[in-house]
Amino acid sequence: EDQVTQSPEALRLQEGESSSLNCSYTVSGLRGLFWYRQDPGKGPEFLFTLYSAGEEKEKERLKATLTKKESFLHITAPKPEDSATYLCFGRGSQGNLIFGKGTKLSVKP
Amino acid sequence: DADVTQTPRNRITKTGKRIMLECSQTKGHDRMYWYRQDPGLGLRLIYYSFDVKDINKGEISDGYSVSRQAQAKFSLSLESAIPNQTALYFCATSDFGDFGDTQYFGPGTRLTVL
Repeated sequence: EDQVTQSPEALRLQEGESSSLNCSYTVSGLRGLFWYRQDPGKGPEFLFTLYSAGEEKEKERLKATLTKKESFLHITAPKPEDSATYLCFGRGSQGNLIFGKGTKLSVKP
Repeated sequence: DADVTQTPRNRITKTGKRIMLECSQTKGHDRMYWYRQDPGLGLRLIYYSFDVKDINKGEISDGYSVSRQAQAKFSLSLESAIPNQTALYFCATSDFGDFGDTQYFGPGTRLTVL
């Protein structure tokens, strides 16, 4: 069964304290690994798509990486405005999306 | 203006009532989706439509129905609402891609069924 698991469920950081969020997956014929950011009361906002192991993408303080078993979202020197829930999705060989439950990130000033 | 809009943004209703949630998009995408989000469960697909004449059930379609009135409009109905349909509902759109398509979400509708 295809599955996406995110860890930790919640993460508290001090401003400037870099860390990583994990998304491990067992998705046969993976056709894309997606990262989204969701603020309270809002819809998920697209961040990155990764397609193959070894691929990396960056946007401001965020960098997403992909291996054959997991993806990491690295946050460098986070700021309070980076506080949000980060969602990871995998797209299976049939085109279906498999959703992780998210990691809630809190960055304290 | 937002690319994907949902109305209403909040709705409180009673058990047994019929409810319609509406979604409109200006992205020009053919594909539209309805999801619900529950705390601790993540997003789950209710229905999806790849064009006006193509509508498909998702993993949790029981108790729901949809209508694709036009390329830009996709409505979700709860024929007889029940309390366990209390959730945050999201509409999303995507364009066709050869190797995975990016989904763009609306702001959500918070539905409470008493």
